Amino acid sequence: KQEVTQIPAALSVPEGENLVLNCSFTDSAIYNLQWFRQDPGKGLTSLLLIQSSQREQTSGRLNASLDKSSGRSTLYIAASQPGDSATYLCAVIGSNYKLTFGKGTLLTVNP
Amino acid sequence: GAGVSQSPSNKVTEKGKDVELRCDPISGHTALYWYRQSLGQGLEFLIYFQGNSAPDKSGLPSDRFSAERTGESVSTLTIQRTQQEDSAVYLCASSLNLAGTDTQYFGPGTRLTVL
Repeated sequence: KQEVTQIPAALSVPEGENLVLNCSFTDSAIYNLQWFRQDPGKGLTSLLLIQSSQREQTSGRLNASLDKSSGRSTLYIAASQPGDSATYLCAVIGSNYKLTFGKGTLLTVNP
Repeated sequence: GAGVSQSPSNKVTEKGKDVELRCDPISGHTALYWYRQSLGQGLEFLIYFQGNSAPDKSGLPSDRFSAERTGESVSTLTIQRTQQEDSAVYLCASSLNLAGTDTQYFGPGTRLTVL
């Protein structure tokens, strides 16, 4: 059974700092990995999707990497802003087409 | 274009009552998924539909839960004889196809509270 772990569970940083969120998964037989953002009381917004054959994806200040063989992914956020404050969720999809989620990292960026 | 929409946004019900939650996927998306997000469990898969194929119901927690989808449009998730442990946010997502390569787009969710 696939298990996804995210570290840290919570992170508080001052505005402008670069930061890294970590995700690990136990079964490397995945189709892709997605990073989502969730604001309080809201649904999930997809940030980046990395196919299993890819090593990284970039969107603006966000960069996600994937090391499928070791079961790890990182989400790098450059020059963090207070508007980046949210819960960040990592999820993998395997041959059963179901997303398996980590429990998320609660990020607070202080002005 | 319009995203995934869900209704109602909030539902409060009494234990033992039945509830019906609705999801409108993005137009043209053939795959539709239901997930549940609760405090203790995080986000968990419930069921998915792909076109006219039989749905994968392997994530439904009990036989009180059922879901239907008409063609490639609206889906309803029904919970019969609700229990307090059913309280959670129910999220719907859709994707272009049922393929591991397609992004799943999520709706805002329905917050269910069972008293």
